[in-house]
Amino acid sequence: DAKTTQPTSMDCAEGRAANLPCNHSTISGNEYVYWYRQIHSQGPQYIIHGLKNNETNEMASLIITEDRKSSTLILPHATLRDTAVYYCIVRELETSGSRLTFGEGTQLTVNP
Amino acid sequence: ETGVTQTPRHLVMGMTNKKSLKCEQHLGHNAMYWYKQSAKKPLELMFVYSLEERVENNSVPSRFSPECPNSSHLFLHLHTLQPEDSALYLCASSQWGLQGTGNTIYFGEGSWLTVV
Repeated sequence: DAKTTQPTSMDCAEGRAANLPCNHSTISGNEYVYWYRQIHSQGPQYIIHGLKNNETNEMASLIITEDRKSSTLILPHATLRDTAVYYCIVRELETSGSRLTFGEGTQLTVNP
Repeated sequence: ETGVTQTPRHLVMGMTNKKSLKCEQHLGHNAMYWYKQSAKKPLELMFVYSLEERVENNSVPSRFSPECPNSSHLFLHLHTLQPEDSALYLCASSQWGLQGTGNTIYFGEGSWLTVV
């Protein structure tokens, strides 16, 4: 799976949009971009994933650049409960199976 | 509630003890995973089971012994562990054989293990 690069930490004011960037310049055509987050002492929580089109769900939006070498996760109105480590993972989906390889992620701190 | 339940949530064991971690998924998935997360380290994949067959073992010491009796249950049997094995152990599940949305991996809340 391709490697990703994320900032170590970010801060965001409560109620503002949190934009978390991720670089994946070596991504290949059959690899998806996945985002998970991990709130302290809990298991990782799936947020969203995409291949090349922008995606939106009830939790977040995912913007993938046209060349697919980078993406941004957007939390439109961050709350204190969004404070967590956010992981951007590039993952090949094959019919025989799939794995997630976690990096260091970005520690997002939402401030009141 | 993710549909993946792990018990116990916290476990303290001595180095000579034998204990087991249990995981149950209610998502109808056919693949299950064990991950380990040590302090200040990324999650590490330990074992992967698909259709109750072990398909991956990432150089995990034999003192960790997985068992998958059916597609809904996964165990991690622990014996003669070391203090450095203290970590958060995470179970996950997914549906193999599907691409796209159907293949998302879902995690449990984890079992905190302390070896004394």
